[in-house]
Amino acid sequence: EAQVTQNPRYLITVTGKKLTVTCSQNMNHEYMSWYRQDPGLGLRQIYYSMNVEVTDKGDVPEGYKVSRKEKRNFPLILESPSPNQTSLYFCASWTGSETQYFGPGTRLLVL
Amino acid sequence: EDQVTQSPEALRLQEGESSSLNCSYTVSGLRGLFWYRQDPGKGPEFLFTLYSAGEEKEKERLKATLTKKESFLHITAPKPEDSATYLCAVFSGYSTLTFGKGTMLLVSP
Repeated sequence: EAQVTQNPRYLITVTGKKLTVTCSQNMNHEYMSWYRQDPGLGLRQIYYSMNVEVTDKGDVPEGYKVSRKEKRNFPLILESPSPNQTSLYFCASWTGSETQYFGPGTRLLVL
Repeated sequence: EDQVTQSPEALRLQEGESSSLNCSYTVSGLRGLFWYRQDPGKGPEFLFTLYSAGEEKEKERLKATLTKKESFLHITAPKPEDSATYLCAVFSGYSTLTFGKGTMLLVSP
């Protein structure tokens, strides 16, 4: 079954404690993206990757890092999380021309 | 900069009451417009892709249309299970999608 998986699904942490949210896809897609979704602001892209070792900033990259060492994985790293990064995060993958497939989401609370 | 505006922000319908959702866009070179459905706390689920003005696509009670400036998602005789947030996004070929803020649809029995 074609899918995008994210882990963890729910995470509560404290300010400054580094965390990583993993994302994996089994469709051999070149493109992968990270979004955050906040009430009233919609989906905003954080980072995207066009292939292994190729990443670029989206609309709201501050405070986040990504890496793409393998085609299937695209982890999102928060080196020093702050309360304003409390949000619902989605990973997505696609071929670059058709629809994006979204993961189930990771709900993050930073205290 | 690509921009997408969806209206209305929220829409309440009675079961069977047909209506349309609007997605207006400004993009330099549209390569695709996408419609998604999103249930609370879940990832967006793909509905349609439209590529050129005049194109139409249908799926059950939903029909999407595209002009040079906007897209409509028509909902015919909706049912309560159609209640969700509907998202529109545009792709201009720079490897990113730009999303609208969505229309929250509630269909009452």
